[in-house]
Amino acid sequence: SQQGEEDPQALSIQEGENATMNCSYKTSINNLQWYRQNSGRGLVHLILIRSNEREKHSGRLRVTLDTSKKSSSLLITASRAADTASYFCATDADGSRLTFGEGTQLTVNP
Amino acid sequence: DTGVSQDPRHKITKRGQNVTFRCDPISEHNRLYWYRQTLGQGPEFLTYFQNEAQLEKSRLLSDRFSAERPKGSFSTLEIQRTEQGDSAMYLCASSLVESYNEQFFGPGTRLTVL
Repeated sequence: SQQGEEDPQALSIQEGENATMNCSYKTSINNLQWYRQNSGRGLVHLILIRSNEREKHSGRLRVTLDTSKKSSSLLITASRAADTASYFCATDADGSRLTFGEGTQLTVNP
Repeated sequence: DTGVSQDPRHKITKRGQNVTFRCDPISEHNRLYWYRQTLGQGPEFLTYFQNEAQLEKSRLLSDRFSAERPKGSFSTLEIQRTEQGDSAMYLCASSLVESYNEQFFGPGTRLTVL
């Protein structure tokens, strides 16, 4: 079964708006990684946040991690049409395999 | 700087045939992972290697599946006697275990079994 669960399943916004996606998980983790996937393509690594970190930034991306609530969020600021993609969180519980959720489909309308 | 590469990108085969996929990881990475992704789902773990040793296999990996990483560099994933249920995207990822196991994925091989 999937450990990560993304919320919402689908999100549609206008260009320039911010997009927030949430991820919940069930077990303790070493780190949590966020990926983007364009339709039919491979996964692009966005950001890794370790279990002892609370927030990380990378360009227009901001990721938070709350280990007490077993949840993470990905914020994309000033969205662009090119941000249209599926976004997945993946948890690393033991330093080996990643466990993925079902993803959030983000549509940014020009 | 070359990323993870996979070959072929697409494979169409008939049920019962054998197929083999190849993955070339980022050169200094010691870990190599295989995942499978079906439409509308997130990737699911299949197996992984550290150097040439296969350390874990998922229960998803039936005895028709075999993976190798003979010299600790590239890896192959073979599916024997393919079934229509094997149709999926097969993704390879690599990581450096010393760098928090940050996994970088290849473009995937899309398998269609007719």
